[in-house]
Amino acid sequence: GAGVSQSPSNKVTEKGKDVELRCDPISGHTALYWYRQRLGQGLEFLIYFQGNSAPDKSGLPSDRFSAERTGESVSTLTIQRTQQEDSAVYLCASSFGLAASYEQYFGPGTRLTVT
Amino acid sequence: DAKTTQPNSMESNEEEPVHLPCNHSTISGTDYIHWYRQLPSQGPEYVIHGLTSNVNNRMASLAIAEDRKSSTLILHRATLRDAAVYYCILRTYNAGGTSYGKLTFGQGTILTVHP
Repeated sequence: GAGVSQSPSNKVTEKGKDVELRCDPISGHTALYWYRQRLGQGLEFLIYFQGNSAPDKSGLPSDRFSAERTGESVSTLTIQRTQQEDSAVYLCASSFGLAASYEQYFGPGTRLTVT
Repeated sequence: DAKTTQPNSMESNEEEPVHLPCNHSTISGTDYIHWYRQLPSQGPEYVIHGLTSNVNNRMASLAIAEDRKSSTLILHRATLRDAAVYYCILRTYNAGGTSYGKLTFGQGTILTVHP
C-alpha cells in the first residue's frame, strides 16, 4: 500500500519568507509526527498529533513554527519568517496509534534550504 | 526518557553476521526497545522492537538481556544495503497506557559493510 508522502521534496526559500510543508500519512493511521534533521545530525522531535489534537508541542523550536492536522489525514507544518538555521530535512511519520508497541513509518522528507 | 548508549561506528563484511549493541541501564519496566535505521538520504525505517523476550522478523533479530539493561540487534547476513545508521530507542508508556508518542533519536551506530 501507499506509504507516507511529503511535499514538496525540496524547497528553497529566501530568509524571511513563510513556508508550508505537507504530510500525507498512511490511511488509517491516527498518530502523526514531525521531526527535523539538520545536516549531519540526528533527528529532533517537533510535534505529534493524535487525530486532530496535538498533545505534545514541546519540540517546536519557536513560535514561528506551527502545525495543524485536518481529520485523521493531512498535516501541514508552517514556518513563518524563515531563518537560515531552519535549513534542514523535515520528516513526517505516522503510526496506527500512540502505543509504544506501534512502529512509526517515515516519509522521504522535505529538504528545506533557506538562503 | 531513559537513555541509550551505542558505539559510534561498526564495520562488517558482506554476508557475515553483525551484532549491534545498545546499553540502556536506566530502562524502566514498561519501556519498549525499538530499533530504526536510516539509509543514506532516506527517512528512518523501522527494524524491530521488543519488551522482554527475544524477537525475530524478516529483517533482523533482537536479543534482550535478562535484566533488560542491554540489547543487541542481529543482522544475520549483512548486505551492502544494510549500510546505514542504526538507532536504538526506548519508548515509554505513561500512566494511561499510551506512550508519549515521540521517538528520541540519539547519534546511533554507523554501520559500514564491506564487499
